Amino acid sequence: GENVEQHPSTLSVQEGDSAVIKCTYSDSASNYFPWYKQELGKRPQLIIDIRSNVGEKKDQRIAVTLNKTAKHFSLHITETQPEDSAVYFCAATPTTSGTYKYIFGTGTRLKVLA
Amino acid sequence: NAGVTQTPKFQVLKTGQSMTLQCAQDMNHEYMSWYRQDPGMGLRLIHYSVGAGITDQGEVPNGYNVSRSTTEDFPLRLLSAAPSQTSVYFCASSLILTGDSPLHFGNGTRLTVT
Repeated sequence: GENVEQHPSTLSVQEGDSAVIKCTYSDSASNYFPWYKQELGKRPQLIIDIRSNVGEKKDQRIAVTLNKTAKHFSLHITETQPEDSAVYFCAATPTTSGTYKYIFGTGTRLKVLA
Repeated sequence: NAGVTQTPKFQVLKTGQSMTLQCAQDMNHEYMSWYRQDPGMGLRLIHYSVGAGITDQGEVPNGYNVSRSTTEDFPLRLLSAAPSQTSVYFCASSLILTGDSPLHFGNGTRLTVT
């Protein structure tokens, strides 16, 4: 089937430490892997994405890596700050008969402890 | 430019009642979709559409109907509400159909079925 597994479900780090969230996907035809941040009571917001022809992408304190052979990708947040506390979702785009859809992982609740 | 607009923001239904959640986007996006979000379950795809007149089922389609008569609108219908449909519903749209463009989310509808 088409699914995206995400780990861990909760993650607590001290302010200034790094946080890593990992996802695996099942459909090898997936070609786009976005990450979303959702604050309490708000809608998910895109924070970074990576396409299948790229192995790594960085945007200030946030980076994403992709291993297509192993079908997994990871979000790395360095120098964490209290405002990074939120739920993070990964997603992949499996295809059925040439039509893409967006399937999400179950989320990681990140707590940054001051 | 309003983006993705969902109405209503909150709704309470009795078991067996029907209702339609509205979703409209003004970005000329071809791809539109509905998700439900439950604690610990992440964002689960209900239905999606790759253009006017075309709809398809996602991961959890039972109990929901959709239609796409225009590019802008993608309503979600609950024909006979059940307590299991208590959830937060998000509509999301994307620019292109090649599966490598980010999803834009609406602000969500919080539905309670008693």
